[in-house]
Amino acid sequence: SQTIHQWPATLVQPVGSPLSLECTVEGTSNPNLYWYRQAAGRGLQLLFYSVGIGQISSEVPQNLSASRPQDRQFILSSKKLLLSDSGFYLCAWRRTGESYSPLHFGNGTRLTVT
Amino acid sequence: AQSVAQPEDQVNVAEGNPLTVKCTYSVSGNPYLFWYVQYPNRGLQFLLKYITGDNLVKGSYGFEAEFNKSQTSFHLKKPSALVSDSALYFCAVRYTGGFKTIFGAGTRLFVKA
Repeated sequence: SQTIHQWPATLVQPVGSPLSLECTVEGTSNPNLYWYRQAAGRGLQLLFYSVGIGQISSEVPQNLSASRPQDRQFILSSKKLLLSDSGFYLCAWRRTGESYSPLHFGNGTRLTVT
Repeated sequence: AQSVAQPEDQVNVAEGNPLTVKCTYSVSGNPYLFWYVQYPNRGLQFLLKYITGDNLVKGSYGFEAEFNKSQTSFHLKKPSALVSDSALYFCAVRYTGGFKTIFGAGTRLFVKA
């Protein structure tokens, strides 16, 4: 079966510090990968998605970036965090080639920028 | 533009009563529709999806959803609510061949014992 791991679960970082959140998927190959941000326990904002190694599509201009160095690894980064970067970050995957397949989410990382 | 609307921020239901969480979408083309549930400090869990065919779709934990093409709606239902159903529910849409899933703002369901 497939599993998705996301870490860390919580993170408190000062303004201006760097960020690296990691997500890995097991049990499948060439998944579509996604980073979402959820603010105040409500709607999800799509940040980045990837259809393959090294292929990143950005949805929202901001000081975050994403990378996919391996097939089942997706990393969210920032060089300098802003207060507005606080939120709940969710990684997700779905089967490639099946538009009707649902997203499968990790348990999220709660980021607080102080 | 593709969008999903969940008109109710919150739905309150007594345990044992039927529940409905509403969702409408705007579309150009044929959509795939999904419902997800989120418990506190957790990721979203997939409940059910509509692809094509029968307008009534059954999913996990006794939930079902009714697709109505003319009203562009995909309401989530359950015949008898449980206190444990209390959570945040998201409707979502994706289009044929698309990579992006668009989510509604979410509806918080409270089931009172």
